Amino acid sequence: EAAVTQSPRNKVAVTGGKVTLSCNQTNNHNNMYWYRQDTGHGLRLIHYSYGAGSTEKGDIPDGYKASRPSQENFSLILELATPSQTSVYFCASGDNWGVDTQYFGPGTRLLVL
Amino acid sequence: AQSVTQPDARVTVSEGASLQLRCKYSSSGTPYLFWYVQYPRQGLQLLLKYYSGDPVVQGVNGFEAEFSKSNSSFHLRKASVHWSDSAVYFCVLSAGLLSGSFNKLTFGAGTRLAVCP
Repeated sequence: EAAVTQSPRNKVAVTGGKVTLSCNQTNNHNNMYWYRQDTGHGLRLIHYSYGAGSTEKGDIPDGYKASRPSQENFSLILELATPSQTSVYFCASGDNWGVDTQYFGPGTRLLVL
Repeated sequence: AQSVTQPDARVTVSEGASLQLRCKYSSSGTPYLFWYVQYPRQGLQLLLKYYSGDPVVQGVNGFEAEFSKSNSSFHLRKASVHWSDSAVYFCVLSAGLLSGSFNKLTFGAGTRLAVCP
């Protein structure tokens, strides 16, 4: 089974500060995804990538950047964090362009004060 | 446009009772459907998935789901729940490759299941 890890697991940031959330997967999956989870919304897609060097906007990309420097790593960057970005962030990976099973990391709880 | 509706935000059942969690979907193309479970402070884990064929699909830990195209539904069932089944359950829809949507998933809001002793 795919192994997806995230760091940090918990983060407190100040408004206007820069935050980087990291994700690593060890199963050589091509596709990686960043979601945020808020009460009443399920998970919403922020950015995704279909391979090293690629990033694409998801459904709610405003205020976020992404970076995929390698097959294994996918980062989510908040250049100027705001309190509205307080949430739980999940990374996932999958291995098919079409319909595949996505494997999720344990999540990162971010609090922006 | 795709959407998933889980009409019950919270469900409480007694241990040993049967369970049904409801899910309605809307999709312009062929729907690919999943149920994921999220235990406290953990990521999402796949319970089962439906692509085609037999409308009743079996998953892990005794869960099953039934796909109905006529009702646009994909309800999750379990014959006898255990306290360890307490978690949040998400119904998820993918439009798949032919839609050009790059396997983007659409999540329902989730149903929080509480199993009482």
